[in-house]
Amino acid sequence: QKEVEQNSGPLSVPEGAIASLNCTYSDRGSQSFFWYRQYSGKSPELIMSIYSNGDKEDGRFTAQLNKASQYVSLLIRDSQPSDSATYLCAVYGNKLVFGAGTILRVKS
Amino acid sequence: KAGVTQTPRYLIKTRGQQVTLSCSPISGHRSVSWYQQTPGQGLQFLFEYFSETQRNKGNFPGRFSGRQFSNSRSEMNVSTLELGDSALYLCASSLEQGYDSPLHFGNGTRLTVT
Repeated sequence: QKEVEQNSGPLSVPEGAIASLNCTYSDRGSQSFFWYRQYSGKSPELIMSIYSNGDKEDGRFTAQLNKASQYVSLLIRDSQPSDSATYLCAVYGNKLVFGAGTILRVKS
Repeated sequence: KAGVTQTPRYLIKTRGQQVTLSCSPISGHRSVSWYQQTPGQGLQFLFEYFSETQRNKGNFPGRFSGRQFSNSRSEMNVSTLELGDSALYLCASSLEQGYDSPLHFGNGTRLTVT
């Protein structure tokens, strides 16, 4: 079992829709959770961090954490073509471990 | 504030050679982590340095090593290069070591081994 699992996609959504990205992790002791966005040929860019159960909103982005279910999600509202990228879920236990990423394609 | 700076951006080496990659963290950041990214394996953790000490190490062979200097700058060395070492090597810095200190990545060094 991988430490951090994501559906590789691609996830295709129309412009203006809500994109929902999901991630599960295996280490119950994990303490912090991050979402990174990586455009093709670029390095990962931090977009959200979440440390406690519940929702955290930042602009069009909402991160959701459920530690009991070992599940993290990222919602992107009003998706734009510029949101097309690979989204990486990262989980910190004693080091930051990344999932393989979900490719998101927003079609105009 | 300047971001994480990695040099060089591109490297081409031959099997058996060694290579040194350099990373300058964001000013004030004291922790530096290194990752290898390949299409097949994604982002794989190499090691983390804090206060000139290696705090954590991933599952890579001993050919991969690193160090951190007193100004928090870090270098990573790979000896006896293999074709499979071709990858994007990413350095990331954080303010402190620990769960509540997010990583910020540099632009990476693209290493090609022929």
